[in-house]
Amino acid sequence: NAGVTQTPKFQVLKTGQSMTLQCAQDMNHNSMYWYRQDPGMGLRLIYYSASEGTTDKGEVPNGYNVSRLNKREFSLRLESAAPSQTSVYFCASSEDRNLGYTFGSGTRLTVV
Amino acid sequence: GIQVEQSPPDLILQEGANSTLRCNFSDSVNNLQWFHQNPWGQLINLFYIPSGTKQNGRLSATTVATERYSLLYISSSQTTDSGVYFCAVAGRDYKLSFGAGTTVTVRA
Repeated sequence: NAGVTQTPKFQVLKTGQSMTLQCAQDMNHNSMYWYRQDPGMGLRLIYYSASEGTTDKGEVPNGYNVSRLNKREFSLRLESAAPSQTSVYFCASSEDRNLGYTFGSGTRLTVV
Repeated sequence: GIQVEQSPPDLILQEGANSTLRCNFSDSVNNLQWFHQNPWGQLINLFYIPSGTKQNGRLSATTVATERYSLLYISSSQTTDSGVYFCAVAGRDYKLSFGAGTTVTVRA
């Protein structure tokens, strides 16, 4: 019972590099989410997927793209990383978008 | 989106003490959750509670949706209760927005 698994746990990128953050859940949840957390702040929604085949923008989508690969997996891509994207990224899932969320352990990303 | 205000921002407790954390929100909600972020950064869902009262061990929560607030009670606090407690709400757009959190420090 892994829950929500995020990879990698840590990453350092140079400005302009691209990378994809992976997220997978094994709870057969329909909805998945990507959040970022910056020091001293709460979490802010980047993108979400209410169900397989759909994605939608959250509060801070600029500079990111997402792919709901299948019901289990929801990836977040940074096409050209910027220092402002240095953050801790959390993936979450829920059985339905109106129910409780389960979070992964996070990816700490530093862009230099 | 819905505005979420949590109070107090910081709370220092002696082990064994009780405390109440408050979450005020600016509009009607379809979803309200409380989370605990431990010192290692892990986010744990404590309650899904858009209305009513729930209890889980030493923790309980009450949401009064008509008055737009929720309370999280911690009884007989332990050092493992230390961390940041977040309230998160969603309205008709289903986008869960987080408050800034309450940082709780429990001293032995």
